[in-house]
Amino acid sequence: AQTVTQSQPEMSVQEAETVTLSCTYDTSESNYYLFWYKQPPSRQMILVIRQEAYKQQNATENRFSVNFQKAAKSFSLKISDSQLGDTAMYFCAFTTHGSGNTGKLIFGQGTTLQVKP
Amino acid sequence: GAGVSQTPSNKVTEKGKYVELRCDPISGHTALYWYRQSLGQGPEFLIYFQGTGAADDSGLPNDRFFAVRPEGSVSTLKIQRTERGDSAVYLCASSLIGRVSYNEQFFGPGTRLTVL
Repeated sequence: AQTVTQSQPEMSVQEAETVTLSCTYDTSESNYYLFWYKQPPSRQMILVIRQEAYKQQNATENRFSVNFQKAAKSFSLKISDSQLGDTAMYFCAFTTHGSGNTGKLIFGQGTTLQVKP
Repeated sequence: GAGVSQTPSNKVTEKGKYVELRCDPISGHTALYWYRQSLGQGPEFLIYFQGTGAADDSGLPNDRFFAVRPEGSVSTLKIQRTERGDSAVYLCASSLIGRVSYNEQFFGPGTRLTVL
């Protein structure tokens, strides 16, 4: 079975500081995608960043970057220069890729991040 | 352009009643997904449509849950004989193509269902 685990239920960080959210996953597939989604209180799930498993280079999107360790099945999210608007629940997610796959996402339990002024 | 919309935003019902939750995907998106998010948890996959057909309904918890997408656009999630355990946020997402190649899923704001 494919699983995604986020072991940090809650995190907090001071504004302008850097924070890292952890995620591990389990799969026997070799071709897959990993994602970080942000869910603010409005409930709207927003894609923050994605990583293709076949790419060794870590993805970056402005203040957001990942540390993808394929052998360790680890996929952490680093948020630099944290802003108050980053306060939200963050979900790590996984989907397999290729013919016959549906693209359905498997989510972790989430990490609630609070950015303090 | 318009994003994914879901109606109603909130639904309160009594145990044993029937409910319908509606999802309007982004125009042109052939793939549509339903997920259920219990309080404090991550979303769990329910069902995936490619066009009009349910290509994967492995996540539906039991036969009280059913979903349709008759014209390949709007989808309705139907829950019969609701139970208190059905209380959750029901999320809908759409993407250009569901399988084979990656296409970003765009999520709606969800419907919060409360069963009293």
